[in-house]
Amino acid sequence: SAVISQKPSRDICQRGTSLTIQCQVDSQVTMMFWYRQQPGQSLTLIATANQGSEATYESGFVIDKFPISRPNLTFSTLTVSNMSPEDSSIYLCSAHHGGDNEQFFGPGTRLTVL
Amino acid sequence: AQTVTQSQPEMSVQEAETVTLSCTYDTSESDYYLFWYKQPPSRQMILVIRQEAYKQQNATENRFSVNFQKAAKSFSLKISDSQLGDAAMYFCAYRTLGWGKLQFGAGTQVVVTP
Repeated sequence: SAVISQKPSRDICQRGTSLTIQCQVDSQVTMMFWYRQQPGQSLTLIATANQGSEATYESGFVIDKFPISRPNLTFSTLTVSNMSPEDSSIYLCSAHHGGDNEQFFGPGTRLTVL
Repeated sequence: AQTVTQSQPEMSVQEAETVTLSCTYDTSESDYYLFWYKQPPSRQMILVIRQEAYKQQNATENRFSVNFQKAAKSFSLKISDSQLGDAAMYFCAYRTLGWGKLQFGAGTQVVVTP
């Protein structure tokens, strides 16, 4: 299995600012994913982050708004740029652990934009 | 594109009773994975059970079992002997073989009453 931590666990930000969310996995993983969960909604995939290559974004999400870094096999960051109240959501990091052939999730970051 | 449908926004069950959550999906693939995830108020996504499409036998994990009907593209979750700790949002999810992304349904809120 894999244990995933995220920082910060929650934050309240002002409109127009940016926030970087960190995701740390306790073992090396190939695939990491970033999801958004808007209030009362399901999870929507933002992008897939592979080490050593640019992230692959889903339809409706762009790199300028959600830049992602993946500097090594245990760490990734997601930045929410130029935030607006519509960005208020829970952001979850996930990793595909090949040994277990399943995805594990971090505890999420609750973002509120005023 | 694959879609996952959960038609029950909320299900209520008494302690010690059984509740069944429904999930249907649409895919043109012959091999894939199906999952049920639990998300309690803590936001942590917890894998409840997994089913490989090539296996005819329904998966079981303690009090949780699935009814997998491949031809009907149906994947229901049965929670037996419900406990207060089972109260959570339950998401059905689909994934292709390999490193594919998870596609989630809208979720079903399970309420457990004493």
